[in-house]
Amino acid sequence: AQSVAQPEDQVNVAEGNPLTVKCTYSVSGNPYLFWYVQYPNRGLQFLLKYITGDNLVKGSYGFEAEFNKSQTSFHLKKPSALVSDSALYFCAVSRSGGYQKVTFGTGTKLQVIP
Amino acid sequence: GAVVSQHPSRVICKSGTSVKIECRSLDFQATTMFWYRQFPKKSLMLMATSNEGSKATYEQGVEKDKFLINHASLTLSTLTVTSAHPEDSSFYICSARGTGELTQHFGDGTRLSIL
Repeated sequence: AQSVAQPEDQVNVAEGNPLTVKCTYSVSGNPYLFWYVQYPNRGLQFLLKYITGDNLVKGSYGFEAEFNKSQTSFHLKKPSALVSDSALYFCAVSRSGGYQKVTFGTGTKLQVIP
Repeated sequence: GAVVSQHPSRVICKSGTSVKIECRSLDFQATTMFWYRQFPKKSLMLMATSNEGSKATYEQGVEKDKFLINHASLTLSTLTVTSAHPEDSSFYICSARGTGELTQHFGDGTRLSIL
């Protein structure tokens, strides 16, 4: 069975500082990996995905994530946090090859402090 | 592009009422739609997956007679919570995936409160 772990319930970072939101996964075979962001009382918005190719994936709003196969990680990063980045972030994984079921992590609340 | 519209955004109703939630893909054809329930501690629970024109596939533990899903066209799926009770109160979110796509696009969710 596949799974996603987001070990931090909440991450606090000062505005302007770099941020990292951690994600590790477990899946048989090669993964497809996703990051989504959720603002209060809203659905999830797609940020970026890793399918194949470059391990560093760039996405929306200046976010990027690095796929690390040996560590089975896909941490989300941003060089300089904005207060408006404060939200709930979900990592998700599916097995590669066709349309496989997607498993979401439990989410990490990012709080950017002015 | 890839906009998913979900209505209503909020419903408050009495116990025993049936509630219908609509999920529409506005600018793409959604071959597959998903219905999730989000609990207060953030986690998303997949309830069911529906493909246009066929019966939905429900996850283990989700009552198909309680949560009726219809995916009659490539742009519309509905979730009907039948005879809703207070324990059905939750945030329900739909998502849609287009033909050949791997990414799911989410609606804004429906806050359901059963009194």
